[in-house]
Amino acid sequence: NAGVMQNPRHLVRRRGQEARLRCSPMKGHSHVYWYRQLPEEGLKFMVYLQKENIIDESGMPKERFSAEFPKEGPSILRIQQVVRGDSAAYFCASSLGQGLNTEAFFGQGTRLTVV
Amino acid sequence: AQRVTQPEKLLSVFKGAPVELKCNYSYSGSPELFWYVQYSRQRLQLLLRHISRESIKGFTADLNKGETSFHLKKPFAQEEDSAMYYCALTGTGGGNKLTFGTGTQLKVEL
Repeated sequence: NAGVMQNPRHLVRRRGQEARLRCSPMKGHSHVYWYRQLPEEGLKFMVYLQKENIIDESGMPKERFSAEFPKEGPSILRIQQVVRGDSAAYFCASSLGQGLNTEAFFGQGTRLTVV
Repeated sequence: AQRVTQPEKLLSVFKGAPVELKCNYSYSGSPELFWYVQYSRQRLQLLLRHISRESIKGFTADLNKGETSFHLKKPFAQEEDSAMYYCALTGTGGGNKLTFGTGTQLKVEL
């Protein structure tokens, strides 16, 4: 099991472009979480998805950000019209379930740089 | 609102010395507390969680509800313990929706 795979590892976008970040969860995991880490800060929860459903998006900015986790394929975090403040590390985690003793496994992150 | 505070950005100790990484939290209910570790060039991984009461790699952490703390301790630091450590919590039923502290970089010197 290769673990949670995120790609690309590094992404450079000009202001106004779109950024697409991909996350393939561990095999058998149907729960995916996205976190953002700004410089000098801790990871901040953005969104929690199960297959084809957004369960909790309380940490997502209201505009320009969207996430999906289709029945087939990876979860996608999409940022439209990127701005310099979107520069951060974006981490994805997956788990088997949501209950106690269900560990979340993290990917290595995508570092987005907006120039 | 829930919050996790790690007051030290960097903690430097000598090999063989005791280690204590501080973590304080703010949460109105009964939280579940975790420590995550990120070794150089590796992904974030779970070190321990308070409900399991395990000792992993010689590290322990006790939840002190009176002081709202979950400090990570190890009696004798090893060089391979050098890493970034994050304290995190989730609320009742919160599963893996985690609130993280800003992290403490532990550097173990020879």
